[in-house]
Amino acid sequence: DQQVKQNSPSLSVQEGRISILNCDYTNSMFDYFLWYKKYPAEGPTFLISISSIKDKNEDGRFTVFLNKSAKHLSLHIVPSQPGDSAVYFCAARGPGGTSYGKLTFGQGTILTVHP
Amino acid sequence: KAGVTQTPRYLIKTRGQQVTLSCSPISGHRSVSWYQQTPGQGLQFLFEYFSETQRNKGNFPGRFSGRQFSNSRSEMNVSTLELGDSALYLCASSPDSGAGYGYTFGSGTRLTVV
Repeated sequence: DQQVKQNSPSLSVQEGRISILNCDYTNSMFDYFLWYKKYPAEGPTFLISISSIKDKNEDGRFTVFLNKSAKHLSLHIVPSQPGDSAVYFCAARGPGGTSYGKLTFGQGTILTVHP
Repeated sequence: KAGVTQTPRYLIKTRGQQVTLSCSPISGHRSVSWYQQTPGQGLQFLFEYFSETQRNKGNFPGRFSGRQFSNSRSEMNVSTLELGDSALYLCASSPDSGAGYGYTFGSGTRLTVV
């Protein structure tokens, strides 16, 4: 079963505009959510995370929103830049006692930012 | 500060052979996790080691195994390779597995089984 889903395989945005990447999850026991960015032939790079007890976390141009009742999170990038073009993965971590080291990833969304 | 180092970067093996991949975590990090990335299945968790002990394991057959050494370096082994084992294998390190901040990934080892 796919516990973390990114339903949009791709997203195209104009430079300077907002990019919104979405992620849905089914397991209410997840306690941390993370976003990673990945370029081809490289490992994922950590962007931002949010605890399940928060509903928003900001870091520069990146903001993650968490809606626990809807089991939905989103990553906002404002303003978008061509260098943001990459694959973005949403990931979730289960309660520490049962999920040591384990992140459950979505399938990824390819973001393309056009100049 | 050196990142997570994985060797080799690329590997070509024949069906039925076995392979060993290596991961050196960031200095001071004691938790190492391994993931397999394929186009069809995405990123899937293989196992996690902390202080030389496997603490968690994903849903992979017993052909996939790993270990961690006292210096936190980790290896994973795949025996009796199958064509479907062709993938990018990633390791990630963290100071401890309870940390809420992001795990740091290496660049991966691209394994091709022919």
